Amino acid sequence: AQSVTQLGSHVSVSEGALVLLRCNYSSSVPPYLFWYVQYPNQGLQLLLKYTSAATLVKGINGFEAEFKKSETSFHLTKPSAHMSDAAEYFCAVSLQGAQKLVFGQGTRLTINP
Amino acid sequence: NAGVTQTPKFRVLKTGQSMTLLCAQDMNHEYMYWYRQDPGMGLRLIHYSVGEGTTAKGEVPDGYNVSRLKKQNFLLGLESAAPSQTSVYFCASSYAGGGLFTHEQFFGPGTRLTVL
Repeated sequence: AQSVTQLGSHVSVSEGALVLLRCNYSSSVPPYLFWYVQYPNQGLQLLLKYTSAATLVKGINGFEAEFKKSETSFHLTKPSAHMSDAAEYFCAVSLQGAQKLVFGQGTRLTINP
Repeated sequence: NAGVTQTPKFRVLKTGQSMTLLCAQDMNHEYMYWYRQDPGMGLRLIHYSVGEGTTAKGEVPDGYNVSRLKKQNFLLGLESAAPSQTSVYFCASSYAGGGLFTHEQFFGPGTRLTVL
């Protein structure tokens, strides 16, 4: 069965600094991978997804993630943090033929002025 | 398009009361899901449906029932609410038309439920 581990339940960065949110997955076959963002008191929105095409995936709001099979990782990055990036971020995995996603525990991102 | 909508947005119940949460989607999606979100535990799947008239158990189904009588609606029921069911509940849907399941899920805004 596949699983997802997000390292760090809370990450804090300064405005303008690099954002790095870590996600590792376990799967015996190539997975589909997703990053979702949840702003306060809202539902989840898709940031980006990897579906076996390019390993570097660009998403909305300047975020991108790189699929590294050898490291079983799908870390989310943004070169320069904005105050509006403060939210909770979820990594999720699914497999070909599966009918559902498995979510990580989430990482709360705080941006310091 | 309204996307995925959830009714109600907030609800307070007493222990032992029952209620039904309604999820509706206007995107003609085949798959629908109910999750609960608790601090530090991410999203946990309660039940899901891959089509009208079909449902399946997720990770935490106990104490909940669901029905999918119409393709656009997915109902989550609590027959006898317990304080442990205090949570934020999210509904989601996915497209799987023509046998192409995209795996991408679209989420509703959530229902905040408190059981006293």
